[in-house]
Amino acid sequence: DTGVSQNPRHKITKRGQNVTFRCDPISEHNRLYWYRQTLGQGPEFLTYFQNEAQLEKSRLLSDRFSAERPKGSFSTLEIQRTEQGDSAMYLCATPRGSTDTQYFGPGTRLTVL
Amino acid sequence: GENVEQHPSTLSVQEGDSAVIKCTYSDSASNYFPWYKQELGKGPQLIIDIRSNVGEKKDQRIAVTLNKTAKHFSLHITETQPEDSAVYFCAEAGNQFYFGTGTSLTVIP
Repeated sequence: DTGVSQNPRHKITKRGQNVTFRCDPISEHNRLYWYRQTLGQGPEFLTYFQNEAQLEKSRLLSDRFSAERPKGSFSTLEIQRTEQGDSAMYLCATPRGSTDTQYFGPGTRLTVL
Repeated sequence: GENVEQHPSTLSVQEGDSAVIKCTYSDSASNYFPWYKQELGKGPQLIIDIRSNVGEKKDQRIAVTLNKTAKHFSLHITETQPEDSAVYFCAEAGNQFYFGTGTSLTVIP
């Protein structure tokens, strides 16, 4: 158990709907990362936060995607007007202690019909 | 940073044999190289990592070697067990983590 929880674990939605995922790290590390993982691929970086500030965004993060970390603890990732290509596992990761090592949550598997 | 190649994509070994997975990277500024194991329906779990100031690190049946000059690093699993069956990802990290495409390891009892 990495101490990172994500909800929901699975989400099935129809194309065009909005979805929101949540990540809760047990320890409030100042950095939090979001990744996307499609079948047969490794995780791909989407964005990361230093406390409440969103410091970097990947070009994968289209304007339909928005992420927040309002109090520097939990984070949410919202996808608006979902498309079938958004179907993937969305992973959250935080370091632990003073190391750079990233510890992943179990992910949210999104299926867009 | 974005170009991490991982081989092989699939690997089957008999229980008790060794398994080796190799990765190459392109960013000479990268200084941290973790390996993750991912089981079906779960997030990746760190199994071992190495920093650029050492060439080898071992943890029981798992070892990682790093050749910074050649820009490649390898995962070695000895005395494989069926529970080692999973997908393994290498990663290289500078400012960001960049992952390989994964190796599906099957250990045949």
